[in-house]
Amino acid sequence: KAGVTQTPRYLIKTRGQQVTLSCSPISGHRSVSWYQQTPGQGLQFLFEYFSETQRNKGNFPGRFSGRQFSNSRSEMNVSTLELGDSALYLCASSGEVGGSSPLHFGNGTRLTVT
Amino acid sequence: SQQGEEDPQALSIQEGENATMNCSYKTSINNLQWYRQNSGRGLVHLILIRSNEREKHSGRLRVTLDTSKKSSSLLITASRAADTASYFCATLPPYGQNFVFGPGTRLSVLP
Repeated sequence: KAGVTQTPRYLIKTRGQQVTLSCSPISGHRSVSWYQQTPGQGLQFLFEYFSETQRNKGNFPGRFSGRQFSNSRSEMNVSTLELGDSALYLCASSGEVGGSSPLHFGNGTRLTVT
Repeated sequence: SQQGEEDPQALSIQEGENATMNCSYKTSINNLQWYRQNSGRGLVHLILIRSNEREKHSGRLRVTLDTSKKSSSLLITASRAADTASYFCATLPPYGQNFVFGPGTRLSVLP
């Protein structure tokens, strides 16, 4: 099976702009989670989607949003970018919800906000 | 604050030696997982241990779980340079819906 695919791999944006990141999960996986990774805060949970519904959301401002399509592909959007949004954004898919099976991560999108 | 905390933050060993990393957590858990991350890439799942298990093995990896002490350890035996990476523990609280990751241990295996 192909792994989790995230696009783009790198992204440079300026403050105030918005950005959309894409994630294609492993075939058959319907759960997709997003994490933000920074040197200072580590891995922080953003949100999880299952069957096009957001199941859970982390403690991030409303500028961070996401959605999932009927084919399980997911996108996350960050509006009004701030310097502090610079991070590695990781997407993970899972065969089950509720954490009973492992997360399969993509290689992430490295976002730099200048 | 983080649910899981790995210890040590960084570890440097010679090839062939064993590496031990520890993870402590604060609340009860459903299960605990260990992941590896090579620089700038995604995390790779290593092993999952459930709250009713005490020890699991996978190849050169051995994970223990002590729920009374709220701690877990990851042992990598006969380490190789390719084991150089950051290692994270992730915990799932009993009624939680998402994993909580610790800050990680950076392991360097010197040839």
